[in-house]
Amino acid sequence: RKEVEQDPGPFNVPEGATVAFNCTYSNSASQSFFWYRQDCRKEPKLLMSVYSSGNEDGRFTAQLNRASQYISLLIRDSKLSDSATYLCVVNLPSGSARQLTFGSGTQLTVLP
Amino acid sequence: DAGITQSPRYKITETGRQVTLMCHQTWSHSYMFWYRQDLGHGLRLIYYSAAADITDKGEVPDGYVVSRSKTENFPLTLESATRSQTSVYFCASKAGLNTEAFFGQGTRLTVV
Repeated sequence: RKEVEQDPGPFNVPEGATVAFNCTYSNSASQSFFWYRQDCRKEPKLLMSVYSSGNEDGRFTAQLNRASQYISLLIRDSKLSDSATYLCVVNLPSGSARQLTFGSGTQLTVLP
Repeated sequence: DAGITQSPRYKITETGRQVTLMCHQTWSHSYMFWYRQDLGHGLRLIYYSAAADITDKGEVPDGYVVSRSKTENFPLTLESATRSQTSVYFCASKAGLNTEAFFGQGTRLTVV
């Protein structure tokens, strides 16, 4: 079983739609969680951190469910510029450092 | 400029040659990482470092060597390049155990 699993998609949605991505992680000792965005094999860029209480940044809302070991990302009012691959990232305790472990990514295409 | 930079951005090398990819960060982050990303695949951890002179293997370390004599630099060396090491390589750094990571722009390596 992969340590971080995501639905690879692709998700094709019209502009203005609401889309949600889920991600599950296997290590209950994981301490911190993030969503990153990656465009066309450029470097991943932090979209938002995910907190236990849930957090929102404009059109983006992230949720964490520790009991079920999943995190989610909700995008409202999708824009063409939201088209990208969204990476679920979990800080796993390992050795001398907490490794950032990446899901394989969910591809989103927002259609005009 | 502050940030994390990789060099070179593009590299073509021949099978069997040694090649070193450079990574430099100006934040004095403790943790640094090397990932590779192949077409159609997610990010896979090669090596990571918790501090100067402390390095650990990641998921796919074979054929690679790292060093970290200074906090700000984390070079990755392919001892004898193989075609299977053709990939995009990303360096990343983070300040603390549970913090987010920041990525360099990547090095596209082609082994012919």
